[in-house]
Amino acid sequence: NAGVTQTPKFRILKIGQSMTLQCTQDMNHNYMYWYRQDPGMGLKLIYYSVGAGITDKGEVPNGYNVSRSTTEDFPLRLELAAPSQTSVYFCASSETRGLAGETQYFGPGTRLLVL
Amino acid sequence: TQLLEQSPQFLSIQEGENLTVYCNSSSVFSSLQWYRQEPGEGPVLLVTVVTGGEVKKLKRLTFQFGDARKDSSLHITAAQPGDTGLYLCAGKMTTDSWGKLQFGAGTQVVVTP
Repeated sequence: NAGVTQTPKFRILKIGQSMTLQCTQDMNHNYMYWYRQDPGMGLKLIYYSVGAGITDKGEVPNGYNVSRSTTEDFPLRLELAAPSQTSVYFCASSETRGLAGETQYFGPGTRLLVL
Repeated sequence: TQLLEQSPQFLSIQEGENLTVYCNSSSVFSSLQWYRQEPGEGPVLLVTVVTGGEVKKLKRLTFQFGDARKDSSLHITAAQPGDTGLYLCAGKMTTDSWGKLQFGAGTQVVVTP
């Protein structure tokens, strides 16, 4: 049981390039999330999905796109990379969104540097 | 502006000492969680508290949720080097019908032998 996996682990992009950050979970979770983590800022929600074919914007969605064609996969797309998108990106999944506070399982992260 | 303010931002202590990390807000949360994150890895859930005044213990870690459900604390007794990491609090606001997590900026804890 691998949990949440992310690829690549590290990537350097030039300004204006595009790339897709991959995220896969094998826990059959309906809910999946993308966060970015910047020093001293905590985790900010970029996009989330409540199931295959359903996605919605989080707190900081500008410059990113997502799709959810299967339960397992939730890729994050950067179309025109900008230096402000230099960050560490985490994908997470959860079984439910219960108000009691379900567990979110995080992947190991993708470190992105835009130069 | 962080919805959840964590203090201190950084804490360095010797093995065997005690420490307390705080998580404060002016907003009310239906639940609050504490995560620990180690370098190069994603956060891992330590505990969830849901009732005002609730206290939970996890070995040497004690978590408390404020009576008004606006704040929380994490106390570590007799810290060990294995406790080193970034401690994040995260809460679900009662005013958010979807219940998305709001994260604090984290407290970096370093325990030296």
